[in-house]
Amino acid sequence: GQNIDQPTEMTATEGAIVQINCTYQTSGFNGLFWYQQHAGEAPTFLSYNVLDGLEEKGRFSSFLSRSKGYSYLLLKELQMKDSASYLCAVIEGNYQLIWGAGTKLIIKP
Amino acid sequence: GAVVSQHPSRVICKSGTSVKIECRSLDFQATTMFWYRQFPKKSLMLMATSNEGSKATYEQGVEKDKFLINHASLTLSTLTVTSAHPEDSSFYICSAREARENEKLFFGSGTQLSVL
Repeated sequence: GQNIDQPTEMTATEGAIVQINCTYQTSGFNGLFWYQQHAGEAPTFLSYNVLDGLEEKGRFSSFLSRSKGYSYLLLKELQMKDSASYLCAVIEGNYQLIWGAGTKLIIKP
Repeated sequence: GAVVSQHPSRVICKSGTSVKIECRSLDFQATTMFWYRQFPKKSLMLMATSNEGSKATYEQGVEKDKFLINHASLTLSTLTVTSAHPEDSSFYICSAREARENEKLFFGSGTQLSVL
């Protein structure tokens, strides 16, 4: 069946590094997204991976391993504004999106 | 980046009335648009996928007659909540796929619907 797993909540310290993992089992695969969502707002796009490997964009990096059904989002030099939910979403073979439940990231001073 | 405009941002209506939400891709053509609904403490739930010029594909459990979706052009999709009831109160978000950028999705700003 379809399934996406990511931790429910994580806590990290300002200035530190945090890695949010996502594992998936889906019918086909056409890419994986990471989105950031602040409470009460629409999600904003962070990254899209369709090939294996690491993609870096400033403080945020995303990694994908298709053979393992695994991705992670790496956030460096954490800032208080990074406190948000981080959603992992997979595009299945039929282009439908399967969403994870999201990881609430709490940043402490 | 591409912009998706969603209106209205907030609407309050009486039970039994219908509400229309518009989703426009401002600077790109969106062959496919997705409509999501957010439930408290849960991630976005896909309601339906709309393809320009064809009938929308609804997810299991979503009432087609209650949530009418029209995707009449490559830049506009509308979601109409018919005969709204308090349980329809939610945050609705649309997104559009820009075909020329590796299936990247862009999201609207969302519509907070409150049914009294």
